[in-house]
Amino acid sequence: DAKTTQPTSMDCAEGRAANLPCNHSTISGNEYVYWYRQIHSQGPQYIIHGLKNNETNEMASLIITEDRKSSTLILPHATLRDTAVYYCIVRVWGGDYGQNFVFGPGTRLSVLP
Amino acid sequence: SAVISQKPSRDICQRGTSLTIQCQVDSQVTMMFWYRQQPGQSLTLIATANQGSEATYESGFVIDKFPISRPNLTFSTLTVSNMSPEDSSIYLCSGKGGSYNEQFFGPGTRLTVL
Repeated sequence: DAKTTQPTSMDCAEGRAANLPCNHSTISGNEYVYWYRQIHSQGPQYIIHGLKNNETNEMASLIITEDRKSSTLILPHATLRDTAVYYCIVRVWGGDYGQNFVFGPGTRLSVLP
Repeated sequence: SAVISQKPSRDICQRGTSLTIQCQVDSQVTMMFWYRQQPGQSLTLIATANQGSEATYESGFVIDKFPISRPNLTFSTLTVSNMSPEDSSIYLCSGKGGSYNEQFFGPGTRLTVL
Protein backbone atom coordinates (compact mmCIF):
# COMPACT_ATOMS: atom_id res chain seq x y z
CA ASP A 1 0.00 0.00 0.00
CA ALA A 2 1.13 3.51 -0.76
CA LYS A 3 2.46 5.64 2.08
CA THR A 4 0.65 8.79 3.17
CA THR A 5 1.92 11.98 4.76
CA GLN A 6 -0.24 14.23 6.91
CA PRO A 7 0.47 17.23 9.13
CA THR A 8 0.86 16.28 12.76
CA SER A 9 -1.73 18.70 14.05
CA MET A 10 -4.13 21.44 12.99
CA ASP A 11 -6.45 23.90 14.68
CA CYS A 12 -9.78 25.09 13.35
CA ALA A 13 -12.29 27.59 14.70
CA GLU A 14 -15.72 26.24 15.50
CA GLY A 15 -18.16 26.80 12.64
CA ARG A 16 -15.42 27.20 10.06
CA ALA A 17 -14.40 24.67 7.44
CA ALA A 18 -11.61 22.29 8.42
CA ASN A 19 -9.37 21.32 5.50
CA LEU A 20 -7.13 18.36 6.22
CA PRO A 21 -4.49 17.60 3.60
CA CYS A 22 -2.91 14.27 2.75
CA ASN A 23 -0.06 13.48 0.38
CA HIS A 24 0.06 10.09 -1.31
CA SER A 25 2.47 10.64 -4.17
CA THR A 26 3.14 6.91 -4.72
CA ILE A 27 -0.51 5.92 -5.00
CA SER A 28 -1.17 3.32 -7.67
CA GLY A 29 -4.05 3.25 -10.10
CA ASN A 30 -6.15 0.74 -8.19
CA GLU A 31 -5.73 2.26 -4.73
CA TYR A 32 -8.52 4.18 -3.07
CA VAL A 33 -8.15 7.00 -0.56
CA TYR A 34 -9.95 6.37 2.71
CA TRP A 35 -10.41 8.71 5.64
CA TYR A 36 -11.08 7.64 9.20
CA ARG A 37 -11.15 9.54 12.44
CA GLN A 38 -10.63 8.51 16.03
CA ILE A 39 -12.26 10.48 18.76
CA HIS A 40 -10.58 10.11 22.13
CA SER A 41 -11.22 6.72 23.77
CA GLN A 42 -13.19 5.39 20.81
CA GLY A 43 -12.42 3.09 17.89
CA PRO A 44 -11.72 4.61 14.48
CA GLN A 45 -14.79 5.73 12.53
CA TYR A 46 -15.12 5.57 8.75
CA ILE A 47 -15.68 8.99 7.15
CA ILE A 48 -15.41 8.77 3.38
CA HIS A 49 -13.43 7.25 0.55
CA GLY A 50 -12.77 7.92 -3.12
CA LEU A 51 -10.81 6.80 -6.16
CA LYS A 52 -10.44 9.84 -8.40
CA ASN A 53 -13.66 11.79 -8.34
CA ASN A 54 -14.55 14.18 -5.57
CA GLU A 55 -16.93 12.68 -3.07
CA THR A 56 -19.39 14.11 -0.55
CA ASN A 57 -21.50 12.55 2.16
CA GLU A 58 -23.26 13.73 5.27
CA MET A 59 -20.03 13.94 7.20
CA ALA A 60 -17.48 15.44 4.85
CA SER A 61 -16.21 16.10 1.33
CA LEU A 62 -13.15 14.52 -0.23
CA ILE A 63 -11.24 16.40 -2.89
CA ILE A 64 -8.68 14.35 -4.85
CA THR A 65 -6.26 16.11 -7.16
CA GLU A 66 -6.28 15.17 -10.82
CA ASP A 67 -2.93 13.38 -10.55
CA ARG A 68 -4.24 11.63 -7.40
CA LYS A 69 -1.05 12.41 -5.52
CA SER A 70 -2.84 14.33 -2.82
CA SER A 71 -6.26 14.82 -1.33
CA THR A 72 -8.08 17.04 1.14
CA LEU A 73 -10.77 16.11 3.59
CA ILE A 74 -13.17 18.96 4.22
CA LEU A 75 -15.42 19.25 7.25
CA PRO A 76 -17.64 22.14 6.10
CA HIS A 77 -18.72 23.44 9.51
CA ALA A 78 -16.47 22.06 12.20
CA THR A 79 -17.90 21.55 15.69
CA LEU A 80 -16.19 20.79 18.97
CA ARG A 81 -17.21 17.15 18.53
CA ASP A 82 -15.04 16.96 15.41
CA THR A 83 -11.94 17.19 17.57
CA ALA A 84 -10.16 13.92 16.80
CA VAL A 85 -7.21 12.29 15.07
CA TYR A 86 -7.87 12.00 11.33
CA TYR A 87 -6.22 9.21 9.35
CA CYS A 88 -5.71 9.21 5.60
CA ILE A 89 -5.14 5.70 4.22
CA VAL A 90 -4.65 4.42 0.70
CA ARG A 91 -5.52 0.85 -0.05
CA VAL A 92 -6.56 -1.40 -2.85
CA TRP A 93 -10.30 -2.00 -2.92
CA GLY A 94 -11.33 -5.39 -1.59
CA GLY A 95 -8.73 -8.12 -1.63
CA ASP A 96 -8.14 -10.90 0.85
CA TYR A 97 -5.23 -11.46 3.17
CA GLY A 98 -3.14 -8.40 3.80
CA GLN A 99 -5.80 -5.97 2.70
CA ASN A 100 -6.15 -4.30 6.03
CA PHE A 101 -5.73 -0.64 6.82
CA VAL A 102 -2.26 0.56 7.76
CA PHE A 103 -2.57 3.50 10.08
CA GLY A 104 -0.02 6.29 10.15
CA PRO A 105 0.16 8.88 12.94
CA GLY A 106 -2.68 10.94 11.41
CA THR A 107 -3.54 14.59 11.97
CA ARG A 108 -4.74 15.70 15.37
CA LEU A 109 -7.48 18.26 14.67
CA SER A 110 -8.45 20.56 17.48
CA VAL A 111 -11.65 22.54 16.98
CA LEU A 112 -11.49 25.65 19.10
CA PRO A 113 -14.50 27.56 20.48
CA SER B 1 -22.54 -0.62 8.27
CA ALA B 2 -21.49 -3.28 10.73
CA VAL B 3 -21.60 -2.71 14.46
CA ILE B 4 -18.78 -4.26 16.44
CA SER B 5 -18.86 -4.83 20.17
CA GLN B 6 -16.06 -5.89 22.46
CA LYS B 7 -15.96 -7.34 25.92
CA PRO B 8 -14.61 -6.33 28.34
CA SER B 9 -14.42 -2.60 27.68
CA ARG B 10 -11.58 -2.31 30.15
CA ASP B 11 -9.71 -4.42 32.66
CA ILE B 12 -6.89 -4.17 35.14
CA CYS B 13 -4.83 -7.33 35.37
CA GLN B 14 -1.90 -8.67 37.30
CA ARG B 15 1.43 -9.47 35.72
CA GLY B 16 1.68 -13.08 34.54
CA THR B 17 -2.03 -13.61 34.02
CA SER B 18 -3.96 -13.85 30.75
CA LEU B 19 -7.00 -12.00 29.45
CA THR B 20 -9.35 -13.01 26.65
CA ILE B 21 -11.10 -10.26 24.73
CA GLN B 22 -14.25 -11.07 22.79
CA CYS B 23 -15.37 -9.40 19.59
CA GLN B 24 -18.85 -9.74 18.14
CA VAL B 25 -20.00 -8.31 14.80
CA ASP B 26 -23.70 -7.83 14.13
CA SER B 27 -23.42 -8.94 10.51
CA GLN B 28 -21.13 -11.10 8.46
CA VAL B 29 -17.81 -9.61 7.53
CA THR B 30 -15.28 -11.01 5.11
CA MET B 31 -12.28 -10.45 7.33
CA MET B 32 -11.59 -9.68 10.96
CA PHE B 33 -8.49 -8.08 12.41
CA TRP B 34 -7.00 -7.30 15.80
CA TYR B 35 -5.07 -4.09 16.40
CA ARG B 36 -3.15 -2.70 19.34
CA GLN B 37 -2.93 0.99 20.17
CA GLN B 38 -0.38 1.93 22.77
CA PRO B 39 -0.79 5.18 24.70
CA GLY B 40 -0.44 8.17 22.42
CA GLN B 41 0.33 6.01 19.40
CA SER B 42 -1.41 5.01 16.21
CA LEU B 43 -2.90 1.58 15.56
CA THR B 44 -0.68 -1.42 14.91
CA LEU B 45 -2.04 -4.58 13.33
CA ILE B 46 -1.52 -7.70 15.45
CA ALA B 47 -3.08 -10.31 13.20
CA THR B 48 -5.80 -11.28 10.78
CA ALA B 49 -8.31 -13.65 12.34
CA ASN B 50 -9.11 -16.45 9.90
CA GLN B 51 -12.30 -18.39 10.21
CA GLY B 52 -11.68 -21.98 11.19
CA SER B 53 -7.91 -21.79 10.89
CA GLU B 54 -4.88 -20.27 12.53
CA ALA B 55 -4.61 -16.49 12.52
CA THR B 56 -2.05 -14.73 10.35
CA TYR B 57 0.32 -12.70 12.52
CA GLU B 58 2.24 -9.57 11.68
CA SER B 59 5.93 -9.24 12.31
CA GLY B 60 6.64 -8.90 16.01
CA PHE B 61 3.51 -10.73 17.15
CA VAL B 62 3.38 -14.48 17.86
CA ILE B 63 0.64 -16.97 18.49
CA ASP B 64 1.93 -18.02 21.90
CA LYS B 65 1.57 -14.48 23.18
CA PHE B 66 -1.62 -13.52 21.32
CA PRO B 67 -3.67 -16.62 20.52
CA ILE B 68 -6.67 -15.78 18.36
CA SER B 69 -9.78 -17.72 17.51
CA ARG B 70 -12.51 -17.11 14.95
CA PRO B 71 -15.00 -19.95 15.06
CA ASN B 72 -17.51 -18.24 12.73
CA LEU B 73 -17.94 -15.19 10.54
CA THR B 74 -19.14 -12.86 13.28
CA PHE B 75 -17.10 -13.74 16.38
CA SER B 76 -13.45 -13.67 17.35
CA THR B 77 -11.36 -13.71 20.51
CA LEU B 78 -7.90 -12.38 21.28
CA THR B 79 -6.01 -13.61 24.33
CA VAL B 80 -3.15 -11.61 25.78
CA SER B 81 -1.04 -14.24 27.53
CA ASN B 82 1.44 -14.00 30.40
CA MET B 83 0.88 -10.27 30.60
CA SER B 84 3.46 -7.70 31.55
CA PRO B 85 3.07 -3.93 32.06
CA GLU B 86 4.30 -3.44 28.47
CA ASP B 87 1.06 -5.06 27.28
CA SER B 88 -0.95 -2.15 28.67
CA SER B 89 -2.74 -0.84 25.58
CA ILE B 90 -6.06 -0.51 23.88
CA TYR B 91 -6.90 -3.60 21.84
CA LEU B 92 -9.27 -3.05 18.91
CA CYS B 93 -11.22 -5.54 16.86
CA SER B 94 -12.03 -4.69 13.26
CA GLY B 95 -14.12 -6.25 10.53
CA LYS B 96 -14.12 -5.65 6.80
CA GLY B 97 -17.34 -5.63 4.86
CA GLY B 98 -20.27 -3.42 4.07
CA SER B 99 -21.33 -1.71 0.89
CA TYR B 100 -17.97 -0.07 0.37
CA ASN B 101 -15.85 -2.90 1.75
CA GLU B 102 -14.54 -0.56 4.40
CA GLN B 103 -13.30 -1.54 7.83
CA PHE B 104 -15.38 -1.07 10.94
CA PHE B 105 -13.87 -0.91 14.39
CA GLY B 106 -15.02 -1.87 17.81
CA PRO B 107 -14.81 0.56 20.73
CA GLY B 108 -11.65 -1.08 22.02
CA THR B 109 -10.64 -2.83 25.23
CA ARG B 110 -8.44 -0.77 27.52
CA LEU B 111 -6.02 -3.08 29.29
CA THR B 112 -3.86 -2.06 32.22
CA VAL B 113 -1.31 -4.54 33.55
CA LEU B 114 0.10 -3.91 36.99
